[in-house]
This record gives sequence, C-alpha cells and structure tokens, in this order.
Amino acid sequence: EVQLVESGGGLVQPGESLRLSCAVSGFTFSDHNMEWVRQTPGKGLEWVALSRNKTNSFTTEYAASVKGRFTISRDDSRNSLYLQMNSLKIEDTAVYYCVRLIFGGSGTHWGQGMLVTVSS
Amino acid sequence: QSVLTQPPSASGTPGQRVTISCSGGSSSIGRHAVSWYQQLPGTAPKLLISGTGQRPSGVPDRFSGSKSGTSASLAISGVQSEDEADYYCAAWDDSLNGRVFGGGTKLTVL
Repeated sequence: EVQLVESGGGLVQPGESLRLSCAVSGFTFSDHNMEWVRQTPGKGLEWVALSRNKTNSFTTEYAASVKGRFTISRDDSRNSLYLQMNSLKIEDTAVYYCVRLIFGGSGTHWGQGMLVTVSS
Repeated sequence: QSVLTQPPSASGTPGQRVTISCSGGSSSIGRHAVSWYQQLPGTAPKLLISGTGQRPSGVPDRFSGSKSGTSASLAISGVQSEDEADYYCAAWDDSLNGRVFGGGTKLTVL
C-alpha cells in the first residue's frame, strides 16, 4: 500500500524557519517525481515546489511565491522528501501536502497533510 | 486569482449529468495534459482523472474528462449524493514553469 506521511509542521512566528518531511512507503520512491502542494484553510490548492527524480537530473522548480525562501530536497536512500521553509510569512499558513507524481504530472497519491501556522 | 478558471459552484439532482469546466491558456492546457481531483470535506485531494484521461482504480466510470484547445471539462454522468465535494483541475504552465490549479468547483447534489 502506498503511503505518504508528512511531519514537521506547527506554529512559528513570521521570519522563522520550519522543515517538513514526507516519509513514503509502498512504492519505489526513486522512480518518481514528487512535489509539495499547499491549501490555505477554506481555500483552493496552490502548487509549491517540484522535485524531479534521478532520471530527470534531480532538477527542482518553485512557485514564484516561495522561490528564494523554500527549498525542496529528497533523499532516495531514506525514501523521503523534504521542504525547508525559511523567512516564513503569515501568508504561508496552510496545510502542506506531499504528492507522488506519475508521467504526465498527475498526483496519484497525497499525504494526509501537515498544518503550518505562521502567526505572531 | 487562479491561472485556471473554474466555476465556483455547480449543482445537479441525483442521476443528472453534470459538467465542470476548466479554462486555461496556450501555455497551460493548450500544451499540457489536465488532471482532475476530488476533495471531500476534511480529506486530502484524490486523483479522479489523470493527464492521460484514465481513471485510477476505484474511481467510478461515471467520471470522465475531455480537453479541447485551451479548455477542459469534467463530466459526471449520473451524479450521486456521495459526489458532493470540491473539484479541481490542474496542468503544467510553461510560462510560469510550474503547476497551476483551478480555483475549485463546489458540487452540490440537490
């Protein structure tokens, strides 16, 4: 069974940092591109960042709203995806989802979501 | 404001055919496949229709997707009460070099 389990969320103040982790099981992590998608409570979905696999040269992409502040990374030996979030802003408050992608960019499996709250 | 445009709401009576539109541009839907997601209250989104037009295992065949030019549609033939949820379209956008989502459509089954 495919599982994606996020951890590391919580309450932080503006300007602080937080690191999200996503531990996966049930599939060959190294075969897949992965991404983070967030959702402000009561609002729609917003793509955050993409991590491509080794076949795709481990390249990354970021949404303009987080570029320069967030870093997506992966550890294929640990079957884990990460999101380092620096200089957090109030508008970064959201539930963050870890997503497994297949060819064509469809997110076939999503984690349960992790709430990040940025507030003073 | 979302790059992909969806109607905020849609409705239908049980058994009716309901369609949800998703409008994009030449750099998004015009060039890339569209995926559709269903999100039930309090849960993570679930893939309904992949970019290749396929339904993942377990998704009823009353759900189907189509694309023409820079627009896409999700059709539910014979909507049921359990289909009440939020629906999102998504595609890659070359001009933004990122994935874009529609704003979501809340489906109500009357």
